[in-house]
Amino acid sequence: NAGVTQTPKFQVLKTGQSMTLQCAQDMNHEYMSWYRQDPGMGLRLIHYSVGAGITDQGEVPNGYNVSRSTTEDFPLRLLSAAPSQTSVYFCASSYLLPKGNTYEQYFGPGTRLTVT
Amino acid sequence: AQKVTQAQTEISVVEKEDVTLDCVYETRDTTYYLFWYKQPPSGELVFLIRRNSFDEQNEISGRYSWNFQKSTSSFNFTITASQVVDSAVYFCALSDHVSGGYNKLIFGAGTRLAVHP
Repeated sequence: NAGVTQTPKFQVLKTGQSMTLQCAQDMNHEYMSWYRQDPGMGLRLIHYSVGAGITDQGEVPNGYNVSRSTTEDFPLRLLSAAPSQTSVYFCASSYLLPKGNTYEQYFGPGTRLTVT
Repeated sequence: AQKVTQAQTEISVVEKEDVTLDCVYETRDTTYYLFWYKQPPSGELVFLIRRNSFDEQNEISGRYSWNFQKSTSSFNFTITASQVVDSAVYFCALSDHVSGGYNKLIFGAGTRLAVHP
């Protein structure tokens, strides 16, 4: 299993450009999510999905779109990049543990995005 | 409000020293989970431990140990006899219920640990 893969690893965008960060998992996990990591702030949830066709907003959704047409893929779209979106983006997939009310989370390697 | 506070921004120690990373949390839930992740210089997130709110037993895994105290809402992490390979950013996180039955993670700001030879 490749686990959670993210592409690209690095990206530089100009203000106003759009792009899609790709995330794929091959573990058949129901749940997927996107976090961004900023210095001094830890990771914050952008969007998440509880299954194919179902997405919802996290703490910091503005400026981002997601869709989940398949179980495997959960792309994150930046509609019009802004310098404030300079960050490291992590995709995660997870499944509900058999015992207890929590999830086993698997994080991808991250995408470092710079917007100039 | 759900919140995780890691008051120590950076810690610097010399190899073989013991070091404790503090984590204080706030939650409205009676059932919750706490986590620690390690982020080495390579950037990936490495899961270290999960602890549920009903289990206050301390946990030890090799040189790592965790002290969970509900009375003080703390979940501290101790590295015994630190090594250079322990140099990383360490995140404490708290589970939080969101719609759809999913639990998101609320992360602290992280503590950067530098272990010098």
